[in-house]
Amino acid sequence: SQQGEEDPQALSIQEGENATMNCSYKTSINNLQWYRQNSGRGLVHLILIRSNEREKHSGRLRVTLDTSKKSSSLLITASRAADTASYFCATAFDNYGQNFVFGPGTRLSVLP
Amino acid sequence: ETGVTQTPRHLVMGMTNKKSLKCEQHLGHNAMYWYKQSAKKPLELMFVYSLEERVENNSVPSRFSPECPNSSHLFLHLHTLQPEDSALYLCASSQARTTPLHFGNGTRLTVT
Repeated sequence: SQQGEEDPQALSIQEGENATMNCSYKTSINNLQWYRQNSGRGLVHLILIRSNEREKHSGRLRVTLDTSKKSSSLLITASRAADTASYFCATAFDNYGQNFVFGPGTRLSVLP
Repeated sequence: ETGVTQTPRHLVMGMTNKKSLKCEQHLGHNAMYWYKQSAKKPLELMFVYSLEERVENNSVPSRFSPECPNSSHLFLHLHTLQPEDSALYLCASSQARTTPLHFGNGTRLTVT
C-alpha cells in the first residue's frame, strides 16, 4: 500500500535559518499536499502540488516534486518561532475508496 | 474559525458509556471524513462520506459508528470503548476526493 514518509522525524533550527523536510511515497499520485499542525489542533493545508508540476511557491514555502524518485520536499525559508509545528505530507490519488495517505510527520522546532 | 467545527473539544468517558462526537462544516463541501490521530502514529482514516459513497477502513472496530444525515453534518457514535481508543479524533471536509482537506480542531478523547 502507498505511504508517505517524512524525513527527518524531528528538526530543530535557529530562527532565521531555512528548514527542509522530505517526503517519499510509493505509487502514482494525483497530487501531493503539505499540512501543518500546531500542538493539539487540527491540520491546516499549506500547499498542493500536482503530479505534472515540479515546483511551487507560496510565501516563504517552496515545494518540489520529483515523480521519478517519488519524493517531495518542503522548504521553509527565514524560519520564525511561530513556524514551530508538525508538518505532514499527504499523497492524494484517484481511488474508489481512500484517497489520502498521510505520513507520520516532521516535528519542527524553531528556537528564538 | 476553520469552517469545520467539532464538539466537544475534550471528552472523558468510561468504557461502558455511550457518547457521540459531532462535526459540522460550513464550506459547502461534498465529502466528510473522520480521522484518528494517536501519538507517534500516522493519521488513520476511519470513515469517508461523499456524494457517491461511504467508505470505511475495515480495521475500525464496530464500537465506532458513523452517521452522516446530510452533507454538512457528521457524527461519530462511540460505545463500549477501550483505553487504547484514547486519541485525537479529527473531522475534515473537502470539495472533492483529492482536493485539500479542511480539518476541525478535533476532539481529545480519553477512555478511562
